[in-house]
Amino acid sequence: NAGVTQTPKFQVLKTGQSMTLQCAQDMNHNSMYWYRQDPGMGLRLIYYSASEGTTDKGEVPNGYNVSRLNKREFSLRLESAAPSQTSVYFCASSDRGHGSEQYFGPGTRLTVT
Amino acid sequence: GEDVEQSLFLSVREGDSSVINCTYTDSSSTYLYWYKQEPGAGLQLLTYIFSNMDMKQDQRLTVLLNKKDKHLSLRIADTQTGDSAIYFCAESNDYKLSFGAGTTVTVRA
Repeated sequence: NAGVTQTPKFQVLKTGQSMTLQCAQDMNHNSMYWYRQDPGMGLRLIYYSASEGTTDKGEVPNGYNVSRLNKREFSLRLESAAPSQTSVYFCASSDRGHGSEQYFGPGTRLTVT
Repeated sequence: GEDVEQSLFLSVREGDSSVINCTYTDSSSTYLYWYKQEPGAGLQLLTYIFSNMDMKQDQRLTVLLNKKDKHLSLRIADTQTGDSAIYFCAESNDYKLSFGAGTTVTVRA
């Protein structure tokens, strides 16, 4: 079991470029999440998918889009990157959603210049 | 998030107990969690407590919950150098978790 995997691990973008962060889980979990982590601010939820076929906005969705490709995969897209999107991005998954443990990937460190 | 607050730093001597405190605002939270993040890694669940409990013990970890004051604490007994990490408190709200900013614990010899 690999758990939650994310690619890439590191990325540098120029302002205005686009990219997609990939996330996959092999635990047959229903729910998946994207967070960003910034110093002194903890983790903030960008988008989540409670189950396959549904996605919902979290706390900071502006500038991002997501796709729940299938039960395993949940991608995060930056259409036009901005320096304010420099952050560490974490994907997570959980089994039942409410009240169940979230398992985190190792993170993607993104720098936008 | 702003709904969950923690102090940012804690320094503790090896062998002593560490106590990390957290306050939250959502009285309907069913579960409260403590996650640990080691450098360069994702978050890992340490322990959690159901909101109808006031204490949970798991080896060196003790979680205390004061639901009236919306206060959660994590005590680590006999703190070791491997306990140096960032510790996040989180409350559950439907499918989502709201995290505090994290407490960086530094263990000194």
